[in-house]
Amino acid sequence: GAVVSQHPSRVICKSGTSVKIECRSLDFQATTMFWYRQFPKQSLMLMATSNEGSKATYEQGVEKDKFLINHASLTLSTLTVTSAHPEDSSFYICSARDFQVRNQPQHFGDGTRLSIL
Amino acid sequence: DQQVKQNSPSLSVQEGRISILNCDYTNSMFDYFLWYKKYPAEGPTFLISISSIKDKNEDGRFTVFLNKSAKHLSLHIVPSQPGDSAVYFCEGIKAAGNKLTFGGGTRVLVKP
Repeated sequence: GAVVSQHPSRVICKSGTSVKIECRSLDFQATTMFWYRQFPKQSLMLMATSNEGSKATYEQGVEKDKFLINHASLTLSTLTVTSAHPEDSSFYICSARDFQVRNQPQHFGDGTRLSIL
Repeated sequence: DQQVKQNSPSLSVQEGRISILNCDYTNSMFDYFLWYKKYPAEGPTFLISISSIKDKNEDGRFTVFLNKSAKHLSLHIVPSQPGDSAVYFCEGIKAAGNKLTFGGGTRVLVKP
């Protein structure tokens, strides 16, 4: 089945550091990928929709200068948390769907636990 | 404009009993609905789906019912097992477009 690989799985770093998270679709072309954030004991919050070859579409309230999304190829999207601060600590998850196949489910990565000290 | 809603944030059920999770939607243009299951510190995984032209789809202990007139779908888990304890999300898909329409999730706790 379709697999989405997310890396790294865990990051611990100092405040002010920029952190890059990668999301790869391993066996299908993902023209669109999605980035979510999950706070403890809360639901998934969609942050942005990443479109291959064009700018990401951010949800209301998400700072595009803070969370930089790049989708340079059909199999790779990256999320960079710039100048991270403790309040950015969270669980980030990406997903991808093969829109060329009708009614496909989202395939999720395993998530990245980001801890900013 | 939240087109897909899960109004019950949590559900507690005894092992062996039925778990019923609900999802309401407002857009009649969805042509497919999906349910996902999520464990802590993991990404969600696809569980079961239903086409809008059907009213029921069954897969083992999991059955999804679709009531188009009420714009409502439900997921039944029977019998519930402790391993079913997770957060469940519903999603509506339209044939055209790639915008996400994802419910807020329902946390299920199955007590042994």
